[in-house]
Amino acid sequence: DIQMTQSPSTLSASVGDRVTITCRASQSINSWLAWYQQKPGKAPNLLIYAASSLQSGVPSRFSGSGSGTEFTLTISSLQPDDFATYHCQQYNSQWTFGQGTKVEIK
Amino acid sequence: QITLKESGPTLVKSTQTLTLTCTFSGFSLSTSGVGVGWIRQPPGKALEWLALIYWDDGKHYSPSLKSRLTITKDTSKNQVVLTVTNMDPVDTATYYCAHMTHSSGYYYFDYWGQGTLVTVSS
Repeated sequence: DIQMTQSPSTLSASVGDRVTITCRASQSINSWLAWYQQKPGKAPNLLIYAASSLQSGVPSRFSGSGSGTEFTLTISSLQPDDFATYHCQQYNSQWTFGQGTKVEIK
Repeated sequence: QITLKESGPTLVKSTQTLTLTCTFSGFSLSTSGVGVGWIRQPPGKALEWLALIYWDDGKHYSPSLKSRLTITKDTSKNQVVLTVTNMDPVDTATYYCAHMTHSSGYYYFDYWGQGTLVTVSS
């Protein structure tokens, strides 16, 4: 099984901050990685697929990068609507998720 | 517009079998390249993929739960059904179904249902 590890688990930030979340895979997953945003009581919402492709309708302040085993999600200027939990997920070999990163108000 | 909705019991007892139905619209599970998967999330914990089914009736199951899971589809009703046998309190979670699409043959979840909370009592 491929394990996905996100860091940090919690991130405190202010509106306007540049935020970066890291996701590491236990073995190479090429670029088969997705990022999701989840708000309390709601289903996850796809932000990024194939490591760096922006899903239709997602604001351009979200971007993804990486390949192999190390990936990042960047929010260029944090907005009030962005306080949420973010999950990475590999789909190179079956499907596994990271443990999530909560972005909270500083 | 793709939508999915999960339905089933909100409370089950230990050792019972859980049957969940995903009813969807905006796509057909007989169309090449389409899939539907199930994912769960225990309260306050991480997401866990359970099972998925493709348009051609191909199926995949989580290795850790494979012996307890069955996924089927009814294309005429636009439904996918997941059964989980021998339920335990640790199976308490919100269960989601999701539409799957692919890039270069690698499938990911792009549209999710709202989820349904299932509580298992001992």
